[in-house]
Amino acid sequence: KAGVTQTPRYLIKTRGQQVTLSCSPISGHRSVSWYQQTPGQGLQFLFEYFSETQRNKGNFPGRFSGRQFSNSRSEMNVSTLELGDSALYLCASSLQGDNYGYTFGSGTRLTVV
Amino acid sequence: ELKVEQNPLFLSMQEGKNYTIYCNYSTTSDRLYWYRQDPGKSLESLFVLLSNGAVKQEGRLMASLDTKARLSTLHITAAVHDLSATYFCAVTLGGSEKLVFGKGTKLTVNP
Repeated sequence: KAGVTQTPRYLIKTRGQQVTLSCSPISGHRSVSWYQQTPGQGLQFLFEYFSETQRNKGNFPGRFSGRQFSNSRSEMNVSTLELGDSALYLCASSLQGDNYGYTFGSGTRLTVV
Repeated sequence: ELKVEQNPLFLSMQEGKNYTIYCNYSTTSDRLYWYRQDPGKSLESLFVLLSNGAVKQEGRLMASLDTKARLSTLHITAAVHDLSATYFCAVTLGGSEKLVFGKGTKLTVNP
C-alpha cells in the first residue's frame, strides 16, 4: 500500500514569507501528526489531527497552524517565516490507538534564508 | 511533563561487537517506540512495545521494556556496518497520539 506522502520535498523561502506543507496519510488512517526536526532541538511535536479536529498541539507559536480535510489529508502552514524555522518537517499517520506504530513520510526540508 | 532520555548519544563500535542503547522516560507511558533514521531520511519504525516485559527481536536488534523502571533497551548483537544510523526512542502518554522523542543515539559501526 502507498505510504505517507509529503509535498514538496524541499523548499527555500525568504524570511517573512509564509509556507504551506502537505501530507497525504496512508489510506484508512485518520490521525495525522506533524513534527519538526532540527539539530539543536531534535524531534518536536507540532500538532495532531483526527477527523478534521485538532486534538493536541505542541509548544509552538501561533505562526504555526494546520488543518485536516475530510479525506484525512493535512496541511500545515507557517506564516512570517524566521531563520529558526529551517528544519525537516515530518508528517506521521496512524490508526487511532494504533499498536503498530506511526508511519512517517519522507519529510519536507524547509530552508529559510 | 514527560521527558525521554537516551544514552549514549554517540556510539562508535566495531563490527561483530554487542552493545546496548538505553531509553529512560519520566512518567508512566502506555506505548514505547523505537525508530531508525538514516542521514537525510525519514524515520523507519523498528519496534512497538506495549506492556511490561515485552521483548521484540528483528535480525540483530532486540528491544525490551520495563515499565516499572521506566526503561527500554535496544540491544545490538554482532553489529554490522549497515546498522549505522541514528536510533530514537519515543513514548506516548495517556492515550495521546503525541510522541515524545529522545535526542537519539548516533551509531557508527566501523569495519
